[in-house]
Amino acid sequence: EVQLVQSGAEVKKPGESLRISCKGSGYSFTNYWITWVRQMPGKGLEWMGRLDPSDSFPDYSPSFEGHITLSVDRSISTVFLELNSLTASDNATYYCARHQEDYNFGSGFDHWGQGTLVTVSS
Amino acid sequence: SYELTQPPSLSVSPGQTAIITCSGEKLGHTYACWYQQKPGQSPLLVIYEDTKRPSGIPQRFAGSSSGNTATLTITGTQSIDEADYYCQTWDDTTGVFGPGTRVTVL
Repeated sequence: EVQLVQSGAEVKKPGESLRISCKGSGYSFTNYWITWVRQMPGKGLEWMGRLDPSDSFPDYSPSFEGHITLSVDRSISTVFLELNSLTASDNATYYCARHQEDYNFGSGFDHWGQGTLVTVSS
Repeated sequence: SYELTQPPSLSVSPGQTAIITCSGEKLGHTYACWYQQKPGQSPLLVIYEDTKRPSGIPQRFAGSSSGNTATLTITGTQSIDEADYYCQTWDDTTGVFGPGTRVTVL
């Protein structure tokens, strides 16, 4: 069974950094890109960026570039999302999702993590 | 930046057909996907490559595309279909989601 399991909820102070993990299992981890999606409270989905676990190549949304870093540790089948210089605007649930097919952008995101709630508060 | 347009909400009676549109200038050149999200849950892929249904998605969900508009049709809508629906496509290699459509079944 394909699973993406994310790290737990976080509470951070403004200015701090945060790293969220997304561990894949039940499939060949390096064969599928991972995308990250933000959902602010009561709002819609926003695409943040994607990572190819096979070569660590990231592709960032212009809306998030400079504020996030995507990385991978293939030894533990885990992709990371790092958020820098947190502000109240980073209060959101963050999802990782697996691309159904590499290099086929139309194939969609077929498996999703459970989401990680991030709260930034002084 | 590239944007997709969806109606914010839609109400449908049980058993009737729900039609959700997604408009964007590049949709005629790129595929659309559709996601269903229920409160407190992660999104679920219901349509990819404009028209294809993942395994396990009921046949009442159908996708189509014409010109710059992609459409998700739910035939014989059930109460369990009440959710937010998002279209998604790509602007080159940047993913783009529509603003979402809240479907209410009443």
